[in-house]
Amino acid sequence: ILNVEQSPQSLHVQEGDSTNFTCSFPSSNFYALHWYRWETAKSPEALFVMTLNGDEKKKGRISATLNTKEGYSYLYIKGSQPEDSATYLCAPNRSGNQFYFGTGTSLTVIP
Amino acid sequence: DAGVIQSPRHEVTEMGQEVTLRCKPISGHDYLFWYRQTMMRGLELLIYFNNNVPIDDSGMPEDRFSAKMPNASFSTLKIQPSEPRDSAVYFCASSLSVIDYEQYFGPGTRLTVT
Repeated sequence: ILNVEQSPQSLHVQEGDSTNFTCSFPSSNFYALHWYRWETAKSPEALFVMTLNGDEKKKGRISATLNTKEGYSYLYIKGSQPEDSATYLCAPNRSGNQFYFGTGTSLTVIP
Repeated sequence: DAGVIQSPRHEVTEMGQEVTLRCKPISGHDYLFWYRQTMMRGLELLIYFNNNVPIDDSGMPEDRFSAKMPNASFSTLKIQPSEPRDSAVYFCASSLSVIDYEQYFGPGTRLTVT
């Protein structure tokens, strides 16, 4: 079992606020990190796949950074909107064949 | 492409019965994953296949669970006999790579064992 920690577990923000959350994982044998967005009653959808230390990815108002040496990734949402409300999951891939999802950060954006 | 297809979408069965969940991956994807979502443990990887061959089944809870992929376009997850604690949502996902390519998830099968 890979120790993947996501924090905070949940947060509530006001519409228009920017927010960020963290995914921590063991840095050894790192291959890649995936971020997924999971809306209630739907299926997880991929946001980013990151492989290189220092990687930065952006999709609209959402961006992510990766530090493989210290074993963490940040996900940022700029100007949160109610439709951003979801659970955000990270999943590091270790040794090429071990793939574990964190328990996620549940985001609620209040209109 | 229609995406990953799972059937049935909902299954209610009695304890002790055999349950078979089905998945059709996206055409051309060499990797297929089976996950289970529970309140206690979140999203757990049960097993994944590469080119129809099981690669890692360390997440399969016990011998009552088995998975097969007889060809590139079809996989099954079977529970026999089923127990109430197996109640969960089971997701199938497919991908071009296990490392650097995103996974595409099916809609899930909600299983209730009474």
